[in-house]
Amino acid sequence: QAVLTQPASLSASPGASASLTCTLRSGINVGTYRIYWYQQKPGSPPQYLLRYKSDSDKQQGSGVPSRFSGSKDASANAGILLISGLQSEDEADYYCMIWHSSASVFGGGTKLTVL
Amino acid sequence: EVQLVQSGAEVKKPGESLKISCKGSGYSFTSYWIGWVRQMPGKGLEWMGIIYPGDSDTRYSPSFQGQVTISADKSISTAYLQWSSLKASDTAMYYCVRQGTYYDILTGYHKIDYWGQGTLVTVSS
Repeated sequence: QAVLTQPASLSASPGASASLTCTLRSGINVGTYRIYWYQQKPGSPPQYLLRYKSDSDKQQGSGVPSRFSGSKDASANAGILLISGLQSEDEADYYCMIWHSSASVFGGGTKLTVL
Repeated sequence: EVQLVQSGAEVKKPGESLKISCKGSGYSFTSYWIGWVRQMPGKGLEWMGIIYPGDSDTRYSPSFQGQVTISADKSISTAYLQWSSLKASDTAMYYCVRQGTYYDILTGYHKIDYWGQGTLVTVSS
């Protein structure tokens, strides 16, 4: 089982909100991890969006709109990237990342379609 | 301005060796971890490993340990990713990344804040 699992795809309408999940493998407690989120558009390297561990331990990337925010769902053992007020430019691949067992690990990524 | 500038695209045959590079500028090269992320065609991101140029401390993902070598030459602010015998499955885009100071990693902050433009490696007979 992968360390981090993300849904392969998600669709949402312009102006709506999208909640992208990053589920940690059973036995790995989401509460103890800082989760990093990246956005990648076709033909470009990824860009850092934000970090979230708790409301007192979080960081927004430089220039990243406040429409992007992080949270956790402890009951689902998952990190969440919430994008509100979706715009067409938000259509991209989104990846979560944690530091686990002395290495970084990425989730498989979610392709967000805004239509 | 922080920049990570990678070497150009490569086309190689299976069994050949290869070393690609990443030159850092705009910051203290010896003070930040620098590493590599693989992206196979149409697939997701895979963290390969990082090196601290200050003392050459290197960390590898278990998936890549023994498969590649990460090194750095601090005199020219350049990091390298090397293969001794390429396989067709090594065909991918490889991104150079900066991943925090030594203190950041030690205290649990592992943000990748800068990415190179990517080097496309194609391995085909």
